[in-house]
Amino acid sequence: QSALTQPASVSGSPGQSITISCTGTSSDVVNYNLVSWYQHHPAKAPKLLIYEATKRPSGVSSRFSGSRSGNTASLTISGLQTEDEADYSCCSYAGSNTWVFGGGTKVTVL
Amino acid sequence: EVQLVESGGGLVEPGGSLRLSCAASGFIFSSYAMNWVRQAPGKGLQWVSAVSGGGDTTYYADSVKGRFTISRDNSKNTLHLQMNGLRAEDTAIYYCAKDPSGSYPAAFDIRGQGTKVTVSS
Repeated sequence: QSALTQPASVSGSPGQSITISCTGTSSDVVNYNLVSWYQHHPAKAPKLLIYEATKRPSGVSSRFSGSRSGNTASLTISGLQTEDEADYSCCSYAGSNTWVFGGGTKVTVL
Repeated sequence: EVQLVESGGGLVEPGGSLRLSCAASGFIFSSYAMNWVRQAPGKGLQWVSAVSGGGDTTYYADSVKGRFTISRDNSKNTLHLQMNGLRAEDTAIYYCAKDPSGSYPAAFDIRGQGTKVTVSS
């Protein structure tokens, strides 16, 4: 299975909204509503932000939202804050106990 | 508050064994599938294994099938990963992760700091 495709970097100013895309194939994103998003801060454990494409775990800020259409899933961060500066990765189930991950997107708060 | 505390990592020679454990609290442990995921140095997350809430169904990545065994003790709210035949490519930080929807597959809700496994001679 090929990795999911994410942009290498996205930037925005405090208070703005940004969107990170995650493009897959009919083997993963299209076939399964099991896309999740993770936030990675250096030297910290990855944090689940979104699961099943649109759901937020308890404790995750409502500024994070997810969507999925066709072969592309998206993560939107609203009201961008300095602490949102981190790497973000997407993941999709691909069937038969196989998971594919994106290469990660570095978010910079200008 | 959901808490997951991993332990059992360490330095082991190729071909050796380790048993990882994860102590869970803050939720009804037996109602949720649980996963082990890992992150090798400088790499992204990789799913390793999952077990159903009741412990009767297990799932493995091809890379660890036949070498790793996942299990859980719902009376003690504990998840385990027995790792045999360890290889250099198994070197990573291992995280236990709650399945947020309850049943596998869904996603990986990581709430601990992980335990580091290094396979080297």
